[in-house]
Amino acid sequence: GAVVSQHPSWVICKSGTSVKIECRSLDFQATTMFWYRQFPKQSLMLMATSNEGSKATYEQGVEKDKFLINHASLTLSTLTVTSAHPEDSSFYICSVSEWDNQPQHFGDGTRLSIL
Amino acid sequence: AQSVAQPEDQVNVAEGNPLTVKCTYSVSGNPYLFWYVQYPNRGLQFLLKYITGDNLVKGSYGFEAEFNKSQTSFHLKKPSALVSDSALYFCAVSRPKGSGGYNKLIFGAGTRLAVHP
Repeated sequence: GAVVSQHPSWVICKSGTSVKIECRSLDFQATTMFWYRQFPKQSLMLMATSNEGSKATYEQGVEKDKFLINHASLTLSTLTVTSAHPEDSSFYICSVSEWDNQPQHFGDGTRLSIL
Repeated sequence: AQSVAQPEDQVNVAEGNPLTVKCTYSVSGNPYLFWYVQYPNRGLQFLLKYITGDNLVKGSYGFEAEFNKSQTSFHLKKPSALVSDSALYFCAVSRPKGSGGYNKLIFGAGTRLAVHP
């Protein structure tokens, strides 16, 4: 069964709207979750590492105020794309891992389309 | 800097033939290596991993991969391809951080596998 639940799977909204994406760990408590962005026909780019109870760690070049991450519980991390614009349109994927030698389990992704 | 190279954008193979998807990596120390598969509009599914031990790793759906430290490679293989194997395949590496560490995955660019009937 699914280890990670990501919701919604598809979002279409107007420019200027803020969009929240949820990532839930179903099988275990996850102190760390990861958020990725994937452009068409490209690889995954790590955006940030979400840490339960503390601030997320963002990768270089990722705007913290644009992509707000909240990891308020051991099973839920949220990514909010604030004041989204067409260039934010992408496929966003979250993942969780029990330990560093275990594979990451990925959500099914959220396709975000900003008109 | 850590990096992963998948030199082929696409691999074409006839159904029933063996397939190989190449991956080489550059990372200091002893890496953890992974292969994932992605179907359209889906997240990634784990296929197999190498942590330590036997260089030949067997994974899901009949896939296997061989860790070659001297060539810093971790090629994905399958003896007999299926049309349903057609998908996007990603090689990834993480560097052990020691106990209690959660490590970032570095992904290759991906290789699209097309299996023809």
